[in-house]
Amino acid sequence: EVQLVESGGGLVEPGGSLRLSCAASGFPFSKAWMSWVRQAPGKGLEWVGRMKTKTDGGTADYAAIVEGRFTISRDDSKNTLYLQMNSLKTEDTAVYYCATGRCYGTSCYGTTDYWGQGTLVTVSS
Amino acid sequence: QAVVTQEPSLTVSPGGTVTLTCGSSTGAVTSGHYPYWFQQRPGQVPRTLIWDTNNKHSWTPDRFSGSLLGGKAALTLSGAQPEDDADYYCFLAYSGGRVFGGGTKLTVL
Repeated sequence: EVQLVESGGGLVEPGGSLRLSCAASGFPFSKAWMSWVRQAPGKGLEWVGRMKTKTDGGTADYAAIVEGRFTISRDDSKNTLYLQMNSLKTEDTAVYYCATGRCYGTSCYGTTDYWGQGTLVTVSS
Repeated sequence: QAVVTQEPSLTVSPGGTVTLTCGSSTGAVTSGHYPYWFQQRPGQVPRTLIWDTNNKHSWTPDRFSGSLLGGKAALTLSGAQPEDDADYYCFLAYSGGRVFGGGTKLTVL
């Protein structure tokens, strides 16, 4: 069973930093592209970015609104995805979800088929 | 960045049929946008209903189907149930990124 468990959310002041983690299990993590999606209170879903596998280059793509401030990384030895958030703004307040695709054996496709429960980040003074 | 558009709200009667659409500011939506559809009930985590235009997950009720219709991605609900009262989001792929639509609030009434 695919499980994604986010952690690291909390209250941070504007301009501050926070690192979120997503612990994964139930699928071949090193073979899977991963993504982060957020949802501000009472608002819609917003794509934050995605991380490719090391085999596919190990690079990340970001939404324009977070590019240069947020960094996605992964530790395949720990089956964990990270989201480093710097220069946080009040408008970054949201529930942050980790998501992944579908895996068939050791082949995985997509980045948003399975979702974690999310972790709340509040940026406020 | 592309803008993905959805109907803000729709209403369907129990047992009725409704189609939600998803358009792109860059032109026609094609299979190359790999359209996804998600359902989010109040207070719950989003769950994927449709991937790559028309593929269902094991948990997707048979009454939901995905397609391309008139240059847009479409999600059709046939035989609406009270539990289908939720927000629905489409999601499209572009070079180097992904974009969600603003969501459709579907009321079953």
